[in-house]
Amino acid sequence: QVQLVQSGAEVKKPGASVKVSCKASGYTFINYFIHWVRQAPGQGLEWMAIVNPRYGSTDYAQNFQGRVTMTTDTSTNTIYMELTSLRSEDTALYYCSRAEAYEVWPPAFEFWGQGTLVTVSS
Amino acid sequence: EIVLTQSPDFQSVTPKEKVTITCRASQSIGSSLHWYQQKPNQSPKLLIKYASQSLSGVPSRFSGSGSGTDFTLTINSLEAEDVATYYCYHSSILPFTFGPGTKVDIK
Repeated sequence: QVQLVQSGAEVKKPGASVKVSCKASGYTFINYFIHWVRQAPGQGLEWMAIVNPRYGSTDYAQNFQGRVTMTTDTSTNTIYMELTSLRSEDTALYYCSRAEAYEVWPPAFEFWGQGTLVTVSS
Repeated sequence: EIVLTQSPDFQSVTPKEKVTITCRASQSIGSSLHWYQQKPNQSPKLLIKYASQSLSGVPSRFSGSGSGTDFTLTINSLEAEDVATYYCYHSSILPFTFGPGTKVDIK
């Protein structure tokens, strides 16, 4: 079955960087878009970025341009999301999610990781 | 960027009552609108894709309609397990965006 398993919680100081991983299993990794979404405590969902694992091509939300980088490792079926210059407002639960259909555009995202809590605090 | 607005922000209903949540896009997005349910401390769950397509395993009391800029999620006969926040989300053009959410509670 499709599984997305994310790395564990992180605590970072303002100005630092964080790299969250999302390990995929149960399907052909390169065939499905992955996106990242975050949710600040008590708040709604915020779209961050999308990656095509087949080509490594990415697109980022304007709010995160210059601070976020998504990379893929096809040897381990893992997607990484790195966020730099962290500030307190980046404290959130970060989710990876997989598209529900093979190379369908526009995608709908059906499968979700468990979320990774990133806390930014001095 | 396409902005999605939802109404109402909050709805408190009695069991078996019908719930209607609307989502409006700031420009036409065709049918590239999806609905998610998020229960406390859980990851979001895809309920309806492409405005009106149901998914396997989702109860039939959930349905979606609309196209262009106006969309509706309907929960026929609300059950206690439906207490959650519901988000609309578009994947029409990048960047994708979510609506602010509608919290549904039981009276």
